[in-house]
Amino acid sequence: AAGVIQSPRHLIKEKRETATLKCYPIPRHDTVYWYQQGPGQDPQFLISFYEKMQSDKGSIPDRFSAQQFSDYHSELNMSSLELGDSALYFCASSLGTGTAYGYTFGSGTRLTVV
Amino acid sequence: KNEVEQSPQNLTAQEGEFITINCSYSVGISALHWLQQHPGGGIVSLFMLSSGKKKHGRLIATINIQEKHSSLHITASHPRDSAVYICAVLTGNQFYFGTGTSLTVIP
Repeated sequence: AAGVIQSPRHLIKEKRETATLKCYPIPRHDTVYWYQQGPGQDPQFLISFYEKMQSDKGSIPDRFSAQQFSDYHSELNMSSLELGDSALYFCASSLGTGTAYGYTFGSGTRLTVV
Repeated sequence: KNEVEQSPQNLTAQEGEFITINCSYSVGISALHWLQQHPGGGIVSLFMLSSGKKKHGRLIATINIQEKHSSLHITASHPRDSAVYICAVLTGNQFYFGTGTSLTVIP
């Protein structure tokens, strides 16, 4: 079965550069969630989208922006990268946002800022 | 075969009941997370475990590295505990997630 696809799997950027991470949800899933996990830290919720509209916002820095496109894939844009942005970024998709629906996670994009 | 298996998939309990959610995994891990998601909300990390047992309020999480098994217990369950609970393991650069346990606690 198709899973949540994230690209790229690994990314190395220099400070002050920009990065774009992509998340392709499971077909027919209309909700996408983004998370960030720094080294040795718990995952932190960044932002979510339902039907191409932002549905919830967590601890996403102002330097980051995200959107969900008409095909339901989502992109996380990160500007003015800092060393502290080095983390594992993963997304999840679901059909709807209620607890009645299961959801699937991508395996993440490892971002290293040097 | 999924790298992370959770059970049960759905669980309905009466308020006050003791709840256990189980997680088994097949890969070598550096850490195991128990996550919670309420309707429409982002995920909250409840515990990160690499060995032993952790307790936070009414929540207890245990892990047995040799048996590759973890459990999440909720004592004196309450309707506000209704959520999806997810077991996730981190190995190297990759996360493996269970499909979640949907818990409904009835008053």
